[in-house]
Amino acid sequence: GAVVSQHPSRVICKSGTSVKIECRSLDFQATTMFWYRQFPKQSLMLMATSNEGSKATYEQGVEKDKFLINHASLTLSTLTVTSAHPEDSSFYICSARDDRAWDETQYFGPGTRLLVL
Amino acid sequence: AQSVTQLGSHVSVSEGALVLLRCNYSSSVPPYLFWYVQYPNQGLQLLLKYTTGATLVKGINGFEAEFKKSETSFHLTKPSAHMSDAAEYFCALGGAGNMLTFGGGTRLMVKP
Repeated sequence: GAVVSQHPSRVICKSGTSVKIECRSLDFQATTMFWYRQFPKQSLMLMATSNEGSKATYEQGVEKDKFLINHASLTLSTLTVTSAHPEDSSFYICSARDDRAWDETQYFGPGTRLLVL
Repeated sequence: AQSVTQLGSHVSVSEGALVLLRCNYSSSVPPYLFWYVQYPNQGLQLLLKYTTGATLVKGINGFEAEFKKSETSFHLTKPSAHMSDAAEYFCALGGAGNMLTFGGGTRLMVKP
């Protein structure tokens, strides 16, 4: 149980294009999902908290207009990197909290490797 | 404020030796504590967690951790390291209502 999927697993795109990453909770409902960015050999950096049916809460320094988050259902959140540039290349990981749980456990997706040329 | 410190960004052990990965935390509320493991180019997998109750928590793959309130610690141990344990390990802190606060991570290397 508690499986989270991400799609795509890796994507290469040209500078200036937009890329959408999907995060799905497969066997539980998740009102709250999280998006992280991870640089090589570093810890996770929280980008934003995604709440179903409402606007995402972005961490300080994260551009809302660049990283668009949509959480339209209890099992799906999407992150769109708009007008991507090489500096946006990174490993993006999502996580989801099971609505039935009370202990704040987050279940993580396998990550998406983004390379912007 | 919540914070997590993982002592030792790199830990190297021999196969069969004891694994000890250290985690100390600071929290103004009763903590929830987690250990996650990350293999290369993958997401994080939950190893174990402490919320309430028994302070010695057993997880998957033979790992366990003990919550010590007096020492504000939640160190991860495994009696005998296996080559497949080589990975990045993250300690995380919750309890403040929503987000998890992650430590910097510890890379475990296992020598044959």
